[in-house]
Amino acid sequence: DAGVIQSPRHEVTEMGQEVTLRCKPISGHNSLFWYRQTMMRGLELLIYFNNNVPIDDSGMPEDRFSAKMPNASFSTLKIQPSEPRDSAVYFCASRGLSQGSYNSPLHFGNGTRLTVT
Amino acid sequence: AQTVTQSQPEMSVQEAETVTLSCTYDTSENNYYLFWYKQPPSRQMILVIRQEAYKQQNATENRFSVNFQKAAKSFSLKISDSQLGDTAMYFCAFMKHRGGSEKLVFGKGTKLTVNP
Repeated sequence: DAGVIQSPRHEVTEMGQEVTLRCKPISGHNSLFWYRQTMMRGLELLIYFNNNVPIDDSGMPEDRFSAKMPNASFSTLKIQPSEPRDSAVYFCASRGLSQGSYNSPLHFGNGTRLTVT
Repeated sequence: AQTVTQSQPEMSVQEAETVTLSCTYDTSENNYYLFWYKQPPSRQMILVIRQEAYKQQNATENRFSVNFQKAAKSFSLKISDSQLGDTAMYFCAFMKHRGGSEKLVFGKGTKLTVNP
């Protein structure tokens, strides 16, 4: 089990540029979550998918943010155009109901630290 | 909407001693789940312990245990025999139980430092 894989681990970009964060969930997991972590706001849920379908995107801050899950093994979070206030750590997490219980924990990736200058 | 409150931004404890981290939550749900996650400096989020609201017995995982008070909506984490490796941010999290995949709502976290 390779765990949830996120790339890149660090991203530094200039304001106005497009940023794409990538996530590969654990094989067999059918729920995927994108969280953003900042000192001020803590861990915020941006969006989550069940079976590749977006269920709740109410946490996406603005139209500049978009997320896709084209298949069960890949998801992207895109920010276009990026702004300095988007600087944060972005986590992807997955969960499998196949684990037999709805209290199955989220498995987190190691996060992408985004810095927008 | 559910909210999770961790009232202690920072705490410290001496190695081998016991420390308790507080967490309260607000919900109108009757069935739900509660979790504690640990985030060491490596940034990885690690599940520490989980509790089903319908279970009265408090969950225990080795040196980690919880005090779950459903009526008070309180879910504290006790770490016994603290070790240097316990130094981390600790997040309390809530999840509704609705028969399908639900999101976790996190508190702001408590930074725990274990001193030698």
